[in-house]
Amino acid sequence: GENVEQHPSTLSVQEGDSAVIKCTYSDSASNYFPWYKQELGKRPQLIIDIRSNVGEKKDQRIAVTLNKTAKHFSLHITETQPEDSAVYFCAASKPPLSAQKLVFGQGTRLTINP
Amino acid sequence: GAVVSQHPSWVICKSGTSVKIECRSLDFQATTMFWYRQFPKQSLMLMATSNEGSKATYEQGVEKDKFLINHASLTLSTLTVTSAHPEDSSFYICSARDPAWGYTFGSGTRLTVV
Repeated sequence: GENVEQHPSTLSVQEGDSAVIKCTYSDSASNYFPWYKQELGKRPQLIIDIRSNVGEKKDQRIAVTLNKTAKHFSLHITETQPEDSAVYFCAASKPPLSAQKLVFGQGTRLTINP
Repeated sequence: GAVVSQHPSWVICKSGTSVKIECRSLDFQATTMFWYRQFPKQSLMLMATSNEGSKATYEQGVEKDKFLINHASLTLSTLTVTSAHPEDSSFYICSARDPAWGYTFGSGTRLTVV
């Protein structure tokens, strides 16, 4: 089955700097890669996603890149702010999306230092 | 956007008793729902895939007789933790996929077994 590895497990950056979190996946059939932000005791919130027919996607300060050949994808947060502090999870899924489960990475605890 | 409602948000029960958790898709139909368990400072681990009108598919290592799943309608899935023990204490989260909005998570249920 699919296996998703996420690094680093913790990340601390100065406010205003950029943060990068990386994930690798094992199943080449996977074609949907979302990123979630989870605050303590709350549900995961989708922040950005990418499908395998696209190499990069950007939404304001957040971007995701995908390298299908290497089977890895990354989350980039620029101009970090204190409210970006949270746990971030990557995930992967394969078709059909309507019935396929998400396999999550181990999570990255991001701390933005003011 | 798509909304998934989960109840209760927290529950405390005695060892040996059963607890039912409900997951409802409020504005879309979900033939498939997913149940995850999350221990403190860990990732979301898929327990089972709930299929409307048929048996759930359990992940390896998850006891189907202990974690009963019922998906009797297109908008409701329930997870019953039977004969709960302290080691079952965890954060349980359901998820469903709306074609327009992607995977949406319920607010989670924090179960404490005493």
